[in-house]
Amino acid sequence: EGQLVQSGPEVKKSGESLKISCKGSGYSFTSYWIGWVRQMPGQGLEWMGIIYPGDSDTRYSPSFQGQVSISVDKSVNTAYLHWSGLQPSDSAMYYCARKPPGIASRATVFDLWGQGTLVSVSS
Amino acid sequence: DIQMTQSPSSLSASVGDRVTITCQASQGFSNSVNWYQQRSGKAPKLLIHDASNLETGVPSRFSGSRSGTDFTFTISGLQPEDIATYYCQHYDNLLVTFGPGTKVDLK
Repeated sequence: EGQLVQSGPEVKKSGESLKISCKGSGYSFTSYWIGWVRQMPGQGLEWMGIIYPGDSDTRYSPSFQGQVSISVDKSVNTAYLHWSGLQPSDSAMYYCARKPPGIASRATVFDLWGQGTLVSVSS
Repeated sequence: DIQMTQSPSSLSASVGDRVTITCQASQGFSNSVNWYQQRSGKAPKLLIHDASNLETGVPSRFSGSRSGTDFTFTISGLQPEDIATYYCQHYDNLLVTFGPGTKVDLK
């Protein structure tokens, strides 16, 4: 079945950098895409981008292109979301989620989710 | 970019009621619309994939359908544990769009 475990909550100041993580286990980590989703307080889900751990192929939502970077270290089955200069508007819950490969049925879903990482940024 | 509109934004219903949520796409595309449930303080959970396919282990009171660019999600007999926010999600060539969500609570 599998599991995605995210790093713990973060409290940062404006301008600081941050990298949060998402570690996969119990499945073939390099065979599934990992996506990142933002949820601001009281708001809906926003897709940020997605990476394929097998070859590091990465795509970003136009809304987040240039604002964050997504990377992966397949030697430790972990995907990352990185900010080089946080803003208070980055305060949110961030989820990683797994997407099956290919184009068949269920290939468009996020079928396994991490528990979320809460990021708080003060000015 | 494809935009997803979702209605209603919130609803109140009684236990046993039939609940219907609609997502509409800004342009026509395939059946790549999925539905998720997010309970308060929890991560989203996949319920329906490819418009109408029930995810394994999900109760059969949940269902989905498509008519043109309109996608419908139905709970046929609301249960107390169904109180949550529901999101549609579209996928096209590695671009993902979530609908704004529908909050369902008990009347």
